[in-house]
Amino acid sequence: ELKVEQNPLFLSMQEGKNYTIYCNYSTTSDRLYWYRQDPGKSLESLFVLLSNGAVKQEGRLMASLDTKARLSTLHITAAVHDLSATYFCAVDGAFYGGSQGNLIFGKGTKLSVKP
Amino acid sequence: DSGVTQTPKHLITATGQRVTLRCSPRSGDLSVYWYQQSLDQGLQFLIQYYNGEERAKGNILERFSAQQFPDLHSELNLSSLELGDSALYFCASSSLSGANVLTFGAGSRLTVL
Repeated sequence: ELKVEQNPLFLSMQEGKNYTIYCNYSTTSDRLYWYRQDPGKSLESLFVLLSNGAVKQEGRLMASLDTKARLSTLHITAAVHDLSATYFCAVDGAFYGGSQGNLIFGKGTKLSVKP
Repeated sequence: DSGVTQTPKHLITATGQRVTLRCSPRSGDLSVYWYQQSLDQGLQFLIQYYNGEERAKGNILERFSAQQFPDLHSELNLSSLELGDSALYFCASSSLSGANVLTFGAGSRLTVL
């Protein structure tokens, strides 16, 4: 069974600080997604990482993928209040016998950025 | 606006009842997915349709069913509702090409009393 584990599940940060969210998964996958969800809202796609060593950056967020370690990270640089949200990583089920688009999500990391 | 439209946004009903959730995918996307988000189970894949045909099933209960129509909109039918079915139900769509990024709708929040 494919498992996706995120840590930490809760993260309280001060504005201006840096931090990293970790996403470990149990089965080989060359496709890893990061989504953001604001309270009561939809999921917004942030990044899709398609190969070992892939790195993508958008503003204060940077995501990376190490397929050998089965690990993806989401690094937050100089956090601001607007980044407060829940961040999910997800692995595509196509890589464990499922169907493409059958995403297995982690439990999410609830990020709170305080002034 | 993500381009994926879901109705209704909120729904309150009683145990034992049946409801239908509707989804219109983003223009050009042939694949539609249904996900359930609850505090207990997190985000779970329910079912996928591609161009009118069922493509994959996830943790979907037998009381639940779905279909995709020729105009590509999809409906998720939930019957004999139980308290534990209260959740946020998301529809997503994709083209099944390239990186296959799923675009999610705003969700339908179901409350079963």
